[in-house]
Amino acid sequence: DAMVIQNPRYQVTQFGKPVTLSCSQTLNHNVMYWYQQKSSQAPKLLFHYYDKDFNNEADTPDNFQSRRPNTSFCFLDIRSPGLGDAAMYLCATSRGTYEQYFGPGTRLTVT
Amino acid sequence: GQSLEQPSEVTAVEGAIVQINCTYQTSGFYGLSWYQQHDGGAPTFLSYNGLDGLEETGRFSSFLSRSDSYGYLLLQELQMKDSASYFCAVIRRDDKIIFGKGTRLHILP
Repeated sequence: DAMVIQNPRYQVTQFGKPVTLSCSQTLNHNVMYWYQQKSSQAPKLLFHYYDKDFNNEADTPDNFQSRRPNTSFCFLDIRSPGLGDAAMYLCATSRGTYEQYFGPGTRLTVT
Repeated sequence: GQSLEQPSEVTAVEGAIVQINCTYQTSGFYGLSWYQQHDGGAPTFLSYNGLDGLEETGRFSSFLSRSDSYGYLLLQELQMKDSASYFCAVIRRDDKIIFGKGTRLHILP
């Protein structure tokens, strides 16, 4: 089945230790998104790629970076995780913008 | 500025109908989407309104009034499995997507 895959599902990292989350898709969608979602809050858009065009949200901290080496893969790098970065990180894809397909998410814990 | 308002919680009875409202204020409005999210799960797409009016998909319907900056999600014949959080999301012409804070739907047997 075509889908959005996120690895790992659970990630524990130490304060200040860089961490990379990955997302892959078999839907061949041209748009990919990274969201941060904290408990009982709305998903907050961090970045999105329209094909190779990178779009950074104005309030996304510099601590967060992203790479999309090809259509299928997208990575979220957190250079120096802080306790406040503990959250669920959701990857999503779409052909346009109104119907997004979300992966299962990676739950990040910072110790 | 921009904002989305939706009730934080709604309670309804199994088999009944419930409406979850969403009002928005944003520039460059393009459309309104609705997503369902179960605890611990990822959001799943329910519906999209780009034009005024009602869109129906099975037990779920969504409505948009652009002139009133208002939309709603209507869930009919409620089932226990519909207990979840429901998010409205504004799509802007610059491709920016803004999610509301979500409405937690509780269903009583």
